[in-house]
Amino acid sequence: ETGVTQSPTHLIKTRGQQVTLRCSSQSGHNTVSWYQQALGQGPQFIFQYYREEENGRGNFPPRFSGLQFPNYSSELNVNALELDDSALYLCASHPGSLPNEQFFGPGTRLTVL
Amino acid sequence: EDQVTQSPEALRLQEGESSSLNCSYTVSGLRGLFWYRQDPGKGPEFLFTLYSAGEEKEKERLKATLTKKESFLHITAPKPEDSATYLCAVTPRNYGQNFVFGPGTRLSVLP
Repeated sequence: ETGVTQSPTHLIKTRGQQVTLRCSSQSGHNTVSWYQQALGQGPQFIFQYYREEENGRGNFPPRFSGLQFPNYSSELNVNALELDDSALYLCASHPGSLPNEQFFGPGTRLTVL
Repeated sequence: EDQVTQSPEALRLQEGESSSLNCSYTVSGLRGLFWYRQDPGKGPEFLFTLYSAGEEKEKERLKATLTKKESFLHITAPKPEDSATYLCAVTPRNYGQNFVFGPGTRLSVLP
């Protein structure tokens, strides 16, 4: 069974640029959530996708957007990057719509200069 | 507003010195409380899920308990490899499937 994978591992961008992060969910999981984790803090919920539809969103501006594909993999897009967007971006997956434990990928470290 | 706090912020223990980490939560109806372990620069690793007050779960040197307002992660005779940040998260009843995380407790176990 393959776990949650994310790409790229690290990324450096400049302010104002756009970035796309990718996530492959664990086999059999049709729900994917994205989190932003600043240094020294707990993860903060960005949004969740269930069966290719957005199924909940945290307190993040519209320049954070996402997609989920028929194979349940997902993308996180961030436009007009700001310095404060520098963080570890985590993807988590779980099966179905019940409150199950989420399994996290290794994360993508984004640095905005 | 749903909120999770954790204490202490950081904890240093000698190998074999047992202790407890606290997670306090304010949530509009609790669906579940989750404990994760996170090593530096890596994604959180699932440890436990607790659903109702009085429930307890154990795994090796770790034991998690839940009351109506807080959860404890008890660490018995810790080893240096238990050094990590321990995160607590809750799933509120009316907030879909996403988690509200606490800031974590950084645990260092010295040999």
